[in-house]
Amino acid sequence: AQKITQTQPGMFVQEKEAVTLDCTYDTSDPSYGLFWYKQPSSGEMIFLIYQGSYDQQNATEGRYSLNFQKARKSANLVISASQLGDSAMYFCAMREVTSGTYKYIFGTGTRLKVLA
Amino acid sequence: EPEVTQTPSHQVTQMGQEVILRCVPISNHLYFYWYRQILGQKVEFLVSFYNNEISEKSEIFDDQFSVERPDGSNFTLKIRSTKLEDSAMYFCASVKDLYEKLFFGSGTQLSVL
Repeated sequence: AQKITQTQPGMFVQEKEAVTLDCTYDTSDPSYGLFWYKQPSSGEMIFLIYQGSYDQQNATEGRYSLNFQKARKSANLVISASQLGDSAMYFCAMREVTSGTYKYIFGTGTRLKVLA
Repeated sequence: EPEVTQTPSHQVTQMGQEVILRCVPISNHLYFYWYRQILGQKVEFLVSFYNNEISEKSEIFDDQFSVERPDGSNFTLKIRSTKLEDSAMYFCASVKDLYEKLFFGSGTQLSVL
């Protein structure tokens, strides 16, 4: 079964608009971390935001916020005031802490295109 | 911010040849990883390394693959006999604490001809 699911292979958004990129996850580990990474066309993996499973508040980093709905097992990334430079591939990832695995698991990604 | 360094950025090799991809993780990090990405698609886990041994590996990481941390700073991925389907971007990553974000290197683009 997929541990991380990103159902939107591609998204378009108008410049200056907000956009939500979906991510759902599956784990029975009570302690886990959720991450979002941006991969521009140049290929590097850029960390955006982190949410811990015990965090009470949704994480925010500048224009990025994470809409964390624990009961629904979703961790959607919200980008406010989109810019042309936000055009990139976005990956959701999860790290289970107490399950005994060390790996970070990535979703299949969402390609975002910001339109001028 | 400290960086994970990978060399070379591009590697072209003939099928059947051995390649070694090199990485220098961040100095105080304890957990090390190799991931690969084919044609900008899914980021696939290959192997994790902790306390000088492999802690976990995927089905992709077969007998053709090996990892080493020979000198306390470098972390290498060796592919013994490359196949066409090994062509991919290979990312090295490291982390100090498993509660933290994964720090990625800039990747090595491997092309097997």
